[in-house]
This record gives sequence, structure tokens and C-alpha cells, in this order.
Amino acid sequence: DTEVTQTPKHLVMGMTNKKSLKCEQHMGHRAMYWYKQKAKKPPELMFVYSYEKLSINESVPSRFSPECPNSSLLNLHLHALQPEDSALYLCASSLLQSSYNEQFFGPGTRLTVL
Amino acid sequence: GNSVTQMEGPVTLSEEAFLTINCTYTATGYPSLFWYVQYPGEGLQLLLKATKADDKGSNKGFEATYRKETTSFHLEKGSVQVSDSAVYFCALSDRIQGAQKLVFGQGTRLTINP
Repeated sequence: DTEVTQTPKHLVMGMTNKKSLKCEQHMGHRAMYWYKQKAKKPPELMFVYSYEKLSINESVPSRFSPECPNSSLLNLHLHALQPEDSALYLCASSLLQSSYNEQFFGPGTRLTVL
Repeated sequence: GNSVTQMEGPVTLSEEAFLTINCTYTATGYPSLFWYVQYPGEGLQLLLKATKADDKGSNKGFEATYRKETTSFHLEKGSVQVSDSAVYFCALSDRIQGAQKLVFGQGTRLTINP
């Protein structure tokens, strides 16, 4: 199994809703990442988990709350989002915390905040 | 800080044309370099990588050589196909707080006409 899966594929939510995005990989990777990608822009790093511990938070607003329950799963909990948070949310994983190992990306969740 | 600069797009070519997408980087040390491709509505896929100077990465007819002297990693393909239409991102790896971070260029949208 060499893929990263993300659910749901599409999500529409109101500004008062609470929702979660889910990411899963079974490649034995111990680093997992959340990115946000706006249209026609490169992905922007949000969070990095290393061995299930949060190692990087790129000053992301607290309305985004990541969680890594185990080495295969990564969640992103969403609460009180703003319309400008609408974007493609990408999850990625890599084998080791090393510059030599590529990141494998999931297909993304297309989020629309009304 | 480290950065990546890509040639601006969009780039439009005819099928079987020769492709070059320029990428230059600024970095301290010797980062790994990557080309990722994003097809419409999908996540990013690793196209090729190079981990040290003079390394040549290749995949699916695409090639790029890590040139330390010119700090470049240009993407080339001898004969493009319609199916190569996508957005291409050049990226370097950076280690921050013990974790790997990808620094992306702005992306180049490629359209191949039959």
C-alpha cells in the first residue's frame, strides 16, 4: 500500500459548524503533514507530526486543531472557520524526518466555508 | 531563508515539443530537490528528486539535474504529450526544528495542445 487516503473528498460547512478531516497511511511513515492550498498557489505547510508528536505549527489559527491518534492516522479538527479558510487541504507523509525522503501526498479535501 | 523560484507560466506547447521549466533555488547547505506534479483536482505526486550535486532525477521521460554551481534544477522532457498537462512545482527540503519542511516554488501551469 503506497498511498495516502483522505476523507471526505469534499466538505461544505458553515462558520458555526465543527467538522474533522481525516488522513490515513499504511506505509510505516512516522512523519505526517497538513498543508493548505489556495487556488493557483503552492501548498502552505500548517502542521508537522513526528512520531505522533507535534513538531511544527506554522502559526496556524486555533480554529484548526490537529490530532495524531496513532502512527497511521492524522486528523484536522475544524471549528468556527471563516470563508477565507476555503481551500484544498492536503495531507502528506514521509518515511523519516530526513531531507532525503520525499513526501507522499493524499488527494486532498476540498473545503468550502459558507 | 531558503527559497525556490520557478519560471512563470502558464506554458502552452504543442504535442511532441521539447519542454523546459526553469527552477533556481537559494539555500544554505545542500538540500534535496524535488519536482512534484499536480493534475487537475488531485493532490501532488512526486515526479523526480535529486539529493546531491550532479545527481540526475528521471521519471516518465522527465529529467532534472542538480546543479550546485548555478543553483538550478530545471525540468526537461524531450517530447511532451497531452497527458502531461498539469501544474509543476519545484521544491527543496529544509530542516526546521528537527523536522523536514518542503519549500515550494510558485508552480508552473503547463498545457499541451494536440
